[in-house]
Amino acid sequence: GPKVLQIPSHQIIDMGQMVTLNCDPVSNHLYFYWYKQILGQQMEFLVNFYNGKVMEKSKLFKDQFSVERPDGSYFTLKIQPTALEDSAVYFCASSSGLNTEVFFGKGTRLTVV
Amino acid sequence: QQQVRQSPQSLTVWEGETAILNCSYEDSTFNYFPWYQQFPGEGPALLISISSVSDKKEDGRFTIFFNKREKKLSLHITDSQPGDSATYFCAANAQGLTFGLGTRVSVFP
Repeated sequence: GPKVLQIPSHQIIDMGQMVTLNCDPVSNHLYFYWYKQILGQQMEFLVNFYNGKVMEKSKLFKDQFSVERPDGSYFTLKIQPTALEDSAVYFCASSSGLNTEVFFGKGTRLTVV
Repeated sequence: QQQVRQSPQSLTVWEGETAILNCSYEDSTFNYFPWYQQFPGEGPALLISISSVSDKKEDGRFTIFFNKREKKLSLHITDSQPGDSATYFCAANAQGLTFGLGTRVSVFP
């Protein structure tokens, strides 16, 4: 089936540094999402993105977070600067429309030390 | 405040039994409810979904029962198999998708 690819699968970074998480969404999808999951617990919505713009963001989407998809390439989540509490698995997802199936990647495990 | 609630937090059944997972929600404007299955180290994958115009949706051994008046739904897994052992998330269409906390299901042979 359709696949969302996330690169890298695991990243370790020093607190205060910048990190960029990359996502290659399903090719014909128009809506893109980032979710945060800690310790296999709840999937928490961070942001969704459509037509080059952030549509919605949650209170977890701090000022240090930003997303973009330059020229239809990777959909990225950038955290600058990182904090210890940013350690989590970040899932990228995409869908062709609203209320259609949302496909998730395998996640990037971010460890901030 | 949790907009989507799930119970129980964990559930253990024997192979062949029916597992029943519960979900409730707050916002009456929600109209699409997917259930996602997640295995350790993987992303969630859509298992089955229902819209608020239906009261039942069946797909093989998985059935959703939906009660719009009470804002409740449940996922029934009949003839449970060890391969069904996973975490199951109920979600609703808010902010992309809003997930419940999940139910961890263990099926023992």
